[in-house]
Amino acid sequence: DADVTQTPRNRITKTGKRIMLECSQTKGHDRMYWYRQDPGLGLRLIYYSFDVKDINKGEISDGYSVSRQAQAKFSLSLESAIPNQTALYFCATRDPGTGANEQFFGPGTRLTVL
Amino acid sequence: AQSVTQPDIHITVSEGASLELRCNYSYGATPYLFWYVQSPGQGLQLLLKYFSGDTLVQGIKGFEAEFKRSQSSFNLRKPSVHWSDAAEYFCAVGGSNDYKLSFGAGTTVTVRA
Repeated sequence: DADVTQTPRNRITKTGKRIMLECSQTKGHDRMYWYRQDPGLGLRLIYYSFDVKDINKGEISDGYSVSRQAQAKFSLSLESAIPNQTALYFCATRDPGTGANEQFFGPGTRLTVL
Repeated sequence: AQSVTQPDIHITVSEGASLELRCNYSYGATPYLFWYVQSPGQGLQLLLKYFSGDTLVQGIKGFEAEFKRSQSSFNLRKPSVHWSDAAEYFCAVGGSNDYKLSFGAGTTVTVRA
């Protein structure tokens, strides 16, 4: 089984709808991240969490919210989706014990907002 | 502020030819550097990483990268490309005390027969 899983893998929705993307990990890592990928822009950080009670905004958090339900689960919500949130979304984890910022990525969720 | 520049948006290479992807970074302290690959429809897979020590780093799938501090570069190379190397490649920089990685915009590699 994959260490970092994301559901759904693909989603098409309409403007104004509420959407939740889910991420689960079996790596036992405390730190979890949500990124979005857009062509020509690479990956940009939306939110990150150091543990269940520590959640922080990233570079582009407007229009998004997150929930860390447990160490292993980190969900991203779009309260009212808009077309420019069409992107590929990645969840990642990091083991701070390594002393380096190596991150492990899920397979991604491709979201299309019509 | 930390940043990564990948000057080449798209590279086309013949199968069996060598490949070099450029990465330049800006970072205020000792950088930790990474190359990730994203195959079509797939997530990001770590190819290799540099933390310290030998500046020539070996990775998976026959890739290597060289860290040059004086040039703020971490270029990725492969001596002989296979059709399965067609993908998008991302360079990233971070540090031990950073909360995030900073990614370049990516380089798309097309392999022609």
